[in-house]
Amino acid sequence: EPEVTQTPSHQVTQMGQEVILRCVPISNHLYFYWYRQILGQKVEFLVSFYNNEISEKSEIFDDQFSVERPDGSNFTLKIRSTKLEDSAMYFCASSARLGYEGSPLHFGNGTRLTVT
Amino acid sequence: QQPVQSPQAVILREGEDAVINCSSSKALYSVHWYRQKHGEAPVFLMILLKGGEQKGHDKISASFNEKKQQSSLYLTASQLSYSGTYFCGTVHLNNNAGNMLTFGGGTRLMVKP
Repeated sequence: EPEVTQTPSHQVTQMGQEVILRCVPISNHLYFYWYRQILGQKVEFLVSFYNNEISEKSEIFDDQFSVERPDGSNFTLKIRSTKLEDSAMYFCASSARLGYEGSPLHFGNGTRLTVT
Repeated sequence: QQPVQSPQAVILREGEDAVINCSSSKALYSVHWYRQKHGEAPVFLMILLKGGEQKGHDKISASFNEKKQQSSLYLTASQLSYSGTYFCGTVHLNNNAGNMLTFGGGTRLMVKP
């Protein structure tokens, strides 16, 4: 069964450094998402992306964050200057159709980001 | 605005039933249910699209009351494998792109032998 893959599985970085988290969504999916989950807490929406542009973003997704689909397969999340509070598990997800059309989200296994 | 789930946690013996509720203060278009095991990604369980729709597979089913802006997940004759955190996710009618799934705080379910 096709799956969403994320790399790296664990990233350690120093405060103030830039990080790029990478995702390869399921190949025939058109809608892409980033979520984050601070340890033991809820899964928080960051951003959704369709047709090479952001379609929705949350308050968490400020100017420090950006997303890109640099080629036909990868979908990346960049954090420009990391803060301690950015430490979390970051999940990429993809879906075949829009959420309101009833398409499930398929999640990757996540990248655990640790900011020291 | 995120949906509210209740209870926050529940402990069951194998074979017992549980109900997890999800409610929203805003009109809903659809409700998703996911289960997350410790250290893993959320895994899709089901989607409910229409008011009053009820769906299920195996011994897990769900209902969606559009008027009350609520959904409930029913786990019957629970098995050890049902343990995990259950999240409801909601899509609201006033999303511009209908492309934002917002998760509730989660319900931690533990099934004991």
